[in-house]
This record gives sequence, structure tokens and C-alpha cells, in this order.
Amino acid sequence: AQSVTQLDSHVSVSEGTPVLLRCNYSSSYSPSLFWYVQHPNKGLQLLLKYTSAATLVKGINGFEAEFKKSETSFHLTKPSAHMSDAAEYFCVVSEGAGNKLTFGGGTRVLVKP
Amino acid sequence: GAGVSQTPSNKVTEKGKYVELRCDPISGHTALYWYRQSLGQGPEFLIYFQGTGAADDSGLPNDRFFAVRPEGSVSTLKIQRTERGDSAVYLCASSPRNPGTGKYNEQFFGPGTRLTVL
Repeated sequence: AQSVTQLDSHVSVSEGTPVLLRCNYSSSYSPSLFWYVQHPNKGLQLLLKYTSAATLVKGINGFEAEFKKSETSFHLTKPSAHMSDAAEYFCVVSEGAGNKLTFGGGTRVLVKP
Repeated sequence: GAGVSQTPSNKVTEKGKYVELRCDPISGHTALYWYRQSLGQGPEFLIYFQGTGAADDSGLPNDRFFAVRPEGSVSTLKIQRTERGDSAVYLCASSPRNPGTGKYNEQFFGPGTRLTVL
């Protein structure tokens, strides 16, 4: 069975400073991994995805994530936070032909001016 | 183009009532998924369809929950004898099939239906 653990439920950063959101996963097979963002009262939006190609994945809005199989991690980073990055972020793993998604508990990001 | 739409956006009902939640996927997407997001938690898988058939309904919490997709497009999630614990945001997603690999790609999510059971 697959599972995802997001190590921080809340992260607070100052505008212009780096953001790090930590994610560890458990999977029986070679997983596909995703990061989704959810802004208040809006739908989930895909930031980036890893599907066994390059281990460093670049996404939208300056985000990137690195897949580390030895550490079973898929941490999300951004060099410089913007006020618009304030949202909830979900690390997600999928397995199997049906692509059923398992979500982590989420990390709420607060960006201070 | 049009994304995934869900209706209603909000639904308030009384304990014991029956509700239906509708999902209109992106045209041409063969896979359709339902998830439930309780307050302060990540979404949890309920059921997914390949075409008209439910390929995996292992996430449905009990037999009060049922979903259909009769023509392989629109789907309806049905909840009987609602309970206060059913209050959550119900999310729908659809996904196209990669014609080369046969696998499903990214899931595109709708805005959700917020269900409140009083």
C-alpha cells in the first residue's frame, strides 16, 4: 500500500526567502509523485510531477522537487517566496494502471511581507 | 477549454436525507475519480471509473455511498441517509489516457461540492 507523509503541517516564510516543503512516501512499486496546490476556494492545481524520468523536476511558478529514492523523499522547493504562494500544498503518490492518488495531509504555507 | 465542473457548489441537507452530487469531466477524458476532503485533511480516494464501469470502488466508506457514470461522461455520486460525518468537500477529477502507453496522465480537478449535513 502506498502512503505519503508531509512532515510539516504549517510553514511560515518571509517574502523573497526560500521555501522548503518536506514529503516522504511509501510505495510498493515505482511510484509517480506529484505536488498539487490548493488556493482558498479554488480547485487543486498540479505544480509538478515525477514519472521516472529526471529526478529533479521543474514545475510552474518557479517550484521544483527532487526525487530521492534512497531517502523515499520528494521535497518541494522554491528559491524566493511570493505573496501569491500562500496556499495549501499536497504531496501525492499514485500507483497502478488506474492512477489512484493518495494524498498527504497537506502543508499550509504562510508568506509574510 | 472548459475544465471539470461540479454542481452544486454548496449543498446543505438534514441528517437522514438523500443527496446527489454531479460531476462533468473534461470532454474526452475516459477516467473519472471521486475524492472526499474533510476539514484540515488531504483528499481521500472514493471511487474511479474507466468509461462507464467502476474500476475501483474500494474507497467508498459504506453502502450508503454509490456512484454512477451511465454514458461514460457525467458522473453522479449518491449518498443515502446522510450523516453529520459525511460533511466534507467532494472533489471530482478526470484524466485522459495516454494513447501511446495506455496509462492515465495528470488528473484535472473540479472546484468541489461542499456538503454540509445538519
